[in-house]
Amino acid sequence: DAMVIQNPRYQVTQFGKPVTLSCSQTLNHNVMYWYQQKSSQAPKLLFHYYDKDFNNEADTPDNFQSRRPNTSFCFLDIRSPGLGDAAMYLCATSRESMAGGPFTQTYEQYFGPGTRLTVT
Amino acid sequence: EDQVTQSPEALRLQEGESSSLNCSYTVSGLRGLFWYRQDPGKGPEFLFTLYSAGEEKEKERLKATLTKKESFLHITAPKPEDSATYLCAVYDSWGKLQFGAGTQVVVTP
Repeated sequence: DAMVIQNPRYQVTQFGKPVTLSCSQTLNHNVMYWYQQKSSQAPKLLFHYYDKDFNNEADTPDNFQSRRPNTSFCFLDIRSPGLGDAAMYLCATSRESMAGGPFTQTYEQYFGPGTRLTVT
Repeated sequence: EDQVTQSPEALRLQEGESSSLNCSYTVSGLRGLFWYRQDPGKGPEFLFTLYSAGEEKEKERLKATLTKKESFLHITAPKPEDSATYLCAVYDSWGKLQFGAGTQVVVTP
């Protein structure tokens, strides 16, 4: 089945120790997203890739970086995790078209199971 | 300002007790309203997309409807396995998917 896969499902890191979360997809979607979700809150978009183009949200801390080496994979790097970065990190994908203008054809996003990050 | 508001925040139902969840939105040029189900500790699971007022979608005990200002998710004769948080989302003016805070539904036997 086509899907979005995230690894690991649970990650424990120490304060200030870099950590990388990974996401892969078999949907062949051109857009990939990273969200942060804290308890009982809505997912918050960190950044997304439209094909190879990286789009950072204005309020995403510099501590968060992302890489997309190919269509199928995307990584979230947290350079120096703080206690406030403990959260669920969600990867999502969608198939979108810019024909007719930016994001004029918008489709549903499919989410992975998430990675629960704990910072000690 | 683009906003998505869901109500109620929480809903406790007896098995078989039908109810509706509300999602109201203020966004110009709606480019899709999406409903998701999220179980604790998991990613949101896509349920429905609605694009235009009057549109309806159904899946098992769930039915989503859309008007110009709001959407409803009707749960008919719910079962305990329908317990989850239900999220709605719309694309805002910047092309970003904006989520409501969700409605936590608990269905008791």
